[in-house]
Amino acid sequence: AQKITQTQPGMFVQEKEAVTLDCTYDTSDQSYGLFWYKQPSSGEMIFLIYQGSYDEQNATEGRYSLNFQKARKSANLVISASQLGDSAMYFCAMRESSTNAGKSTFGDGTTLTVKP
Amino acid sequence: DTEVTQTPKHLVMGMTNKKSLKCEQHMGHRAMYWYKQKAKKPPELMFVYSYEKLSINESVPSRFSPECPNSSLLNLHLHALQPEDSALYLCASSQDNAGGRDEQYFGPGTRLTVT
Repeated sequence: AQKITQTQPGMFVQEKEAVTLDCTYDTSDQSYGLFWYKQPSSGEMIFLIYQGSYDEQNATEGRYSLNFQKARKSANLVISASQLGDSAMYFCAMRESSTNAGKSTFGDGTTLTVKP
Repeated sequence: DTEVTQTPKHLVMGMTNKKSLKCEQHMGHRAMYWYKQKAKKPPELMFVYSYEKLSINESVPSRFSPECPNSSLLNLHLHALQPEDSALYLCASSQDNAGGRDEQYFGPGTRLTVT
């Protein structure tokens, strides 16, 4: 089974609207971290937001927030007030405490297009 | 300073060439990574160095040879590559906090074309 599942290959959103990108994960570890990265067409992967498995509050970073539902094993990224510059590929990733140093698992990604 | 630099940005090489990709970070991170990424796909982990020692080799062919000269530098030596090795090669670094906050900072990548 895939450890990280992103079910939306492509998403469209109107500028200034909010959008939710889905991510579900599978792990038997109690301690793990969840991450979202943005990759514009230029290629560089940019870290957006982190959620720890023991964090009780949903993470927020500016216009990004993470809707963390631990029982459902989901960690959806919410982007508020979308901007044209948000058009990019978005990857959800997980780092489990039981894995070797540094190894994170990435989902297949969601391509977001923001329409003017 | 949250920057990871990579050189060169673009590289075209023949199948008999030898070349190297370089990566540098000055964030005091303890882990450094090489990824290979094909278009519209997630990055595939190749190697991880932790405290300058190779900790993960994801069964990468021997025509790719990593090197970590010091805690800030990471090289990827390329030899006798195949056309299917053409891809974006990303370097990243992180603090290496197992099970905790361990976001990776990526460089801009090297777009490699093997002819």
